[in-house]
Amino acid sequence: DVKVTQSSRYLVKRTGEKVFLECVQDMDHENMFWYRQDPGLGLRLIYFSYDVKMKEKGDIPEGYSVSREKKERFSLILESASTNQTSMYLCASSTGEFQPQHFGDGTRLSIL
Amino acid sequence: GNSVTQMEGPVTLSEEAFLTINCTYTATGYPSLFWYVQYPGEGLQLLLKATKADDKGSNKGFEATYRKETTSFHLEKGSVQVSDSAVYFCALSSPGGSTLGRLYFGRGTQLTVWP
Repeated sequence: DVKVTQSSRYLVKRTGEKVFLECVQDMDHENMFWYRQDPGLGLRLIYFSYDVKMKEKGDIPEGYSVSREKKERFSLILESASTNQTSMYLCASSTGEFQPQHFGDGTRLSIL
Repeated sequence: GNSVTQMEGPVTLSEEAFLTINCTYTATGYPSLFWYVQYPGEGLQLLLKATKADDKGSNKGFEATYRKETTSFHLEKGSVQVSDSAVYFCALSSPGGSTLGRLYFGRGTQLTVWP
């Protein structure tokens, strides 16, 4: 089975901090994704990547950046955390077009 | 553009009741369609999928049929259980271009099943 592992289940940070969320997949998938999930808004795509060092903006990239130095690892960076970035963050990976995405268990991030 | 609209919840049912969660979509080209389920405190899991018109996806007693003429992919189950309580997401994968591999999700429908 595909395993997508997010480094933390729960994280508490302070306003203004630089925050790193890590995601690793073990199935050599080309594509990786970062979403945030908020009540009533469903999943919103922040960034995705379909190759090492490649990245594409999703629907809500403001305030975030990403890094993909190795195929199996996709990091989400909050450059200067703000309280409106308190959310559940989900990482996913897939083999490509028309294929299902496999999700990690999520990181619940609180910015105080 | 690409979008998914699913029925708003929450949906509350008694055990053994029939379930329908409506999903309609707008897409460029011919998408693949998916239902995902999210149990409390977990990430999303693929429940079923369909890749072309008239395909029926099925898993764990759930079914959905890809209806191109009505652009729909409604989720059904004949007899729900308490363990089916979760949030259900409809999604599509759009062909080609810069959206390669991206999924478009509906907002999710919370299902609660009472014993």
